Order: sequence, then C-alpha cells, then structure tokens
Amino acid sequence: AQKITQTQPGMFVQEKEAVTLDCTYDTSDPSYGLFWYKQPSSGEMIFLIYQGSYDQQNATEGRYSLNFQKARKSANLVISASQLGDSAMYFCAMRWWNSGGSNYKLTFGKGTLLTVNP
Amino acid sequence: GAGVSQSPSNKVTEKGKDVELRCDPISGHTALYWYRQRLGQGLEFLIYFQGNSAPDKSGLPSDRFSAERTGESVSTLTIQRTQQEDSAVYLCASSPGMNSPLHFGNGTRLTVT
Repeated sequence: AQKITQTQPGMFVQEKEAVTLDCTYDTSDPSYGLFWYKQPSSGEMIFLIYQGSYDQQNATEGRYSLNFQKARKSANLVISASQLGDSAMYFCAMRWWNSGGSNYKLTFGKGTLLTVNP
Repeated sequence: GAGVSQSPSNKVTEKGKDVELRCDPISGHTALYWYRQRLGQGLEFLIYFQGNSAPDKSGLPSDRFSAERTGESVSTLTIQRTQQEDSAVYLCASSPGMNSPLHFGNGTRLTVT
C-alpha cells in the first residue's frame, strides 16, 4: 500500500538559515508525483513544489527545493534562508498512477511543524 | 482569478442535526476533492469527483456522509445525524488535471456540540 511518512513532528531553525524537512514514501507503482504544501496558522493550504517520478532534475521554486532521491524513496523539502513567515505546518503528499488506471487521490503525511526563531 | 470558495466558514451544530457544506471550485477545474482535518492532524481523504461522477468514495467514514456535484461545478458535502467526532475542518480542493497540484479553499470549521 502507498504510504507517506514525515518523521519530524517539529523542527526549529534560526532565521536566515536553511532547513530540511524529511519525507519518505512507499509505493510499488513507477508513476507518481510528490507535492509539498504549507499550512500557516490561518489554516489555508498553500502549494509549494512538485516533483514527478520521471523528472530527471530536482524541482526548485524560489527558496524551496526538493531533494528527490528515488532509490531511497525520499523527497525532502529544503527551505533556504528561512524567514519568520515560514513558520507553519508543512505537509508532504503523493499521488500515484497504477496499472489499473489513474488514481487522482493525494495522500498526505502527518506534517512537520516548523518554527523559525529570530 | 477567484480561488476555491467554501461556505460557511464556520458552522456550529447540535449533535444529531444534519449539516450541508458547500464548495465552489475554480472555474474549469474538472477534479474536486473533499478532505477532513481534525485538530492537529493531517488531511484525511473523503471523496473525489471527476466531472460530476465520484469514482472514489473510499474515504467517506460512514453512511452518514454523502456528497454530490452538479454541473461540473458546485459540490455539497452532507453529514446526517452529526456526532461530536465529526468536529473538524472540512477542506475542499480542485485541480485542472492529473499532473496538477490541488488548490484548496479555506475550509469549513464544523463544531458539533
């Protein structure tokens, strides 16, 4: 069965430093996509970055980059130059397409609460 | 442009009453999802619509939960005979296609007293 694991319930980082949020996944399907979302205390879900299983290069979006290690089944989010506004819950999610047809469901990990200290 | 809109933003109801939650997806988005998020928890998948049909209802917790979508647009999630464990934020999301991220609304916070 497909599964997403985020092992860090909470992380702390100093402002302006980089931080890595861990995400591992388990699937036997070769076709899948990995997503990261940010959820501030306001509750909205904000899409950050996407990585496809066949993408050759790691995805980057501004200060966000995804460290995709396919053989290890990990898709860690790296935030460079942390800002106070980065304090939020971060969710890793996966969508996969199995041989039986398309599967549109996005399965989420339990999340990591990031706190950026001044 | 307009994002995903959910109403009401907050709903307080008494145990045993029925509630109806509404979601207006982004125009043109064919895929629509409902998720539930309990306090301090991750997102729990409830149901997915492609157009007006629901090929995946696997996440609905019980037969008290139902959802429909009309005109490839608005969707309603109905919870009958609400229980206290139904208290959560109900999030709706839409997506234009298979490889696209989900765009979420701000959710409906349901409190069952």
